[in-house]
Amino acid sequence: DGGITQSPKYLFRKEGQNVTLSCEQNLNHDAMYWYRQDPGQGLRLIYYSQIVNDFQKGDIAEGYSVSREKKESFPLTVTSAQKNPTAFYLCASRPSGAQPQHFGDGTRLSIL
Amino acid sequence: LAKTTQPISMDSYEGQEVNITCSHNNIATNDYITWYQQFPSQGPRFIIQGYKTKVTNEVASLFIPADRKSSTLSLPRVSLSDTAVYYCLVGETYNFNKFYFGSGTKLNVKP
Repeated sequence: DGGITQSPKYLFRKEGQNVTLSCEQNLNHDAMYWYRQDPGQGLRLIYYSQIVNDFQKGDIAEGYSVSREKKESFPLTVTSAQKNPTAFYLCASRPSGAQPQHFGDGTRLSIL
Repeated sequence: LAKTTQPISMDSYEGQEVNITCSHNNIATNDYITWYQQFPSQGPRFIIQGYKTKVTNEVASLFIPADRKSSTLSLPRVSLSDTAVYYCLVGETYNFNKFYFGSGTKLNVKP
């Protein structure tokens, strides 16, 4: 069954700790994205990647890092430098051309 | 980067047709218009995408006037399960980064 899998569904971070959110897709899509969503707000772009081993910062990249070592995987690390990490994180992918994005079901990150 | 403006919320009743309008005055020549639906604690789900005139699929229609400065998502005969947030997205689809999600329109469908 093709799709985007985000894990874990819920994650808790302690002060000063880095945490990594997983995003895997088996749709053979070229591009992958990470968004942050705060309560009652729209989605804001953190990072995106068009091809393996290449990625670009979005609008709110500070305090986050990513890697794209494989086409199907685009993990997001929320570092201790991100002072307000509590949010709903969404991963998306899309093929090349005039095609829409496909989203995972998100990871909700909270601070302990 | 074309930003979008949508009503914050709308109310409707089951069985009615719902039209949600999005303004995008700065839309560029290569921009497409895409609509997504989002339920609480889920990722957005693609509804429909268009460039000009009218697009229809099994769940919705998208109307785009000639100047493309606005678009209207039409949902026929809504049900309670259509209660969700609807996002209008404008972006240069061939350019991977140029997308902007506004705050969306919260549609409340009442029995």
